[in-house]
Amino acid sequence: ELKVEQNPLFLSMQEGKNYTIYCNYSTTSDRLYWYRQDPGKSLESLFVLLSNGAVKQEGRLMASLDTKARLSTLHITAAVHDLSATYFCAVDSNFGNEKLTFGTGTRLTIIP
Amino acid sequence: GAVVSQHPSRVICKSGTSVKIECRSLDFQATTMFWYRQFPKQSLMLMATSNEGSKATYEQGVEKDKFLINHASLTLSTLTVTSAHPEDSSFYICSARGGGSYQAFFGQGTRLTVV
Repeated sequence: ELKVEQNPLFLSMQEGKNYTIYCNYSTTSDRLYWYRQDPGKSLESLFVLLSNGAVKQEGRLMASLDTKARLSTLHITAAVHDLSATYFCAVDSNFGNEKLTFGTGTRLTIIP
Repeated sequence: GAVVSQHPSRVICKSGTSVKIECRSLDFQATTMFWYRQFPKQSLMLMATSNEGSKATYEQGVEKDKFLINHASLTLSTLTVTSAHPEDSSFYICSARGGGSYQAFFGQGTRLTVV
């Protein structure tokens, strides 16, 4: 059974600081996704990582994937208040059934 | 990006009644649709996977007779919560995959409150 763990679960950081959210998963997978969720809302797609070594950046967020280590990171640079949200990683199973297994989520609060 | 429309966004129903939630892929054919449930401050829990024209595959612990899923076409899946009870109150989110994309596209979610 595929398990996906994120850490930290909660993160409170000051504006302007950098931080990284980690996503570890338990079995082989080549596809990993990052989503953002605002309170009371559904998921917004941030990044799709499709191969080992993939790195994608959008604004102050950068995501990377190391399939050998079964690890993805979401790096936040010079955080701003607008980035406050819950971030989820999700992993595709390699069994062809297209199921996504979600991480526990990281609730990020940016303090002015 | 592709659009998945979920309706209604909020519903309040009386205990014992049934509620239907619709999930439509607006600009692509969804070969597979997924239904998730999310409790406050928790992650998404997959309830079932549905493919057009076939029976849904339910995750362990999800009652098939309580959560009826129909995937009648490549653009529409419905989730019916039958004989709803207060403990069924939750945020339900659908997701669709297909159209040649690796992406999973999510609906807006439905906040169900059973009183």
